[in-house]
Amino acid sequence: AQRVTQPEKLLSVFKGAPVELKCNYSYSGSPELFWYVQYSRQRLQLLLRHISRESIKGFTADLNKGETSFHLKKPFAQEEDSAMYYCARGPMDSNYQLIWGAGTKLIIKP
Amino acid sequence: KAGVTQTPRYLIKTRGQQVTLSCSPISGHRSVSWYQQTPGQGLQFLFEYFSETQRNKGNFPGRFSGRQFSNSRSEMNVSTLELGDSALYLCASSPGTGGTEAFFGQGTRLTVV
Repeated sequence: AQRVTQPEKLLSVFKGAPVELKCNYSYSGSPELFWYVQYSRQRLQLLLRHISRESIKGFTADLNKGETSFHLKKPFAQEEDSAMYYCARGPMDSNYQLIWGAGTKLIIKP
Repeated sequence: KAGVTQTPRYLIKTRGQQVTLSCSPISGHRSVSWYQQTPGQGLQFLFEYFSETQRNKGNFPGRFSGRQFSNSRSEMNVSTLELGDSALYLCASSPGTGGTEAFFGQGTRLTVV
């Protein structure tokens, strides 16, 4: 089955520490991959997508086709990074829906 | 450009009742998807509509249904509500062809008592 796996339901790190949220996908082709973020009481919104190769709020994510991973990284966590993060894979073939990971709740401790 | 709008924002219903939620997508977007979000299950895909046709459906019972109108606005309906239907229901719109980024509404918080 086509799947996106986020192995950590909860990740807690101290402010200033590096952060890595893991995401693995099951498709071996060239999918479009996204990271979405949901801050407390805010709508789910796009954080970044792999094709744009940009850094948003200090976060980067590199597509590793060999490991079928798209981990989200930030070298120095800030308290405002505390949120729910979802990894998603774009539609493939005739399936038009995004495939979502289960999400990782990131808590940044002061 | 106005964002995705969901109404109502909050609902309290009794078991056995039915409920209709509404979603207005971003202007020009033809695809609307619905999700159920709960703390334990994360984001669960309900269904997706494109140009008034259901293109994809998740693994939810038939009590959950939806439709899309010619102006791309969408509604979802849940009949015979159960306590377990309490959740945040999210609507997302996208162009539907080409662009795949999803834009989400604020959600409707449904509480079944």
